[in-house]
Amino acid sequence: EVQLVESGGGLVQPGRSLRLSCTASGFTVGDYAMSWIRQAPGKGLEWVGFIKSKPYGGTTEYAASVKGRFTISRDDSKSIAYLQMNSLKTDDTAVYYCTRLVVPAHFDYWGQGTLVTVSS
Amino acid sequence: QSALTQPASVSGSPGQSITISCTGTSSDVGGYNFVSWYQQHPGKAPKLMIYDVSNRPSGLSNRFSGSKSGNTASLTISGLQAEDEADYYCSSYTSSSTLVFGGGTKLTVL
Repeated sequence: EVQLVESGGGLVQPGRSLRLSCTASGFTVGDYAMSWIRQAPGKGLEWVGFIKSKPYGGTTEYAASVKGRFTISRDDSKSIAYLQMNSLKTDDTAVYYCTRLVVPAHFDYWGQGTLVTVSS
Repeated sequence: QSALTQPASVSGSPGQSITISCTGTSSDVGGYNFVSWYQQHPGKAPKLMIYDVSNRPSGLSNRFSGSKSGNTASLTISGLQAEDEADYYCSSYTSSSTLVFGGGTKLTVL
């Protein structure tokens, strides 16, 4: 059974950093791209970014709203994907979902999400 | 990249059919057959319902179907049931090699 479990969320002050982790099981993580999607309280879904699998170059793409501040990485030996978030803003407050991305375009498995609150 | 345009809400009675539209541009919806749809119940993670415009994941009810014409994709739910009441989001691949979601549609089953 495919499972994605996010961790690392919490309360953080504006301007600080936070790293989220996504631990995957039930499939060979190295064969898939992984993506992060967020949802602000009471709002819709917003794609954050993805990282392709290493056979496809392990390249990353990001939404304009987070480019230059957020970085996605992966450790296939541990079956973990990461979302490093720097220079956090109050607008980054959201539930962050880890997803498996079937390239180029659909998210077939989702984690339960982890809440990140950016507030002073 | 601007969000795709969806109606804020739609409604229907049990047994009826409803259609949710998702309008983009030739740089996303109209340019690729890579539109997907997601269902989200309150407090839950989204669930994939349709991918690549009209394909259903294995095991999903055939009451859900997808289509596309020009820059607009559509999700149709037939034989509406109470458990279909949820938020629905479309998503598309874009010419920038990124992905974009619609604003979401709240489906109410009357």
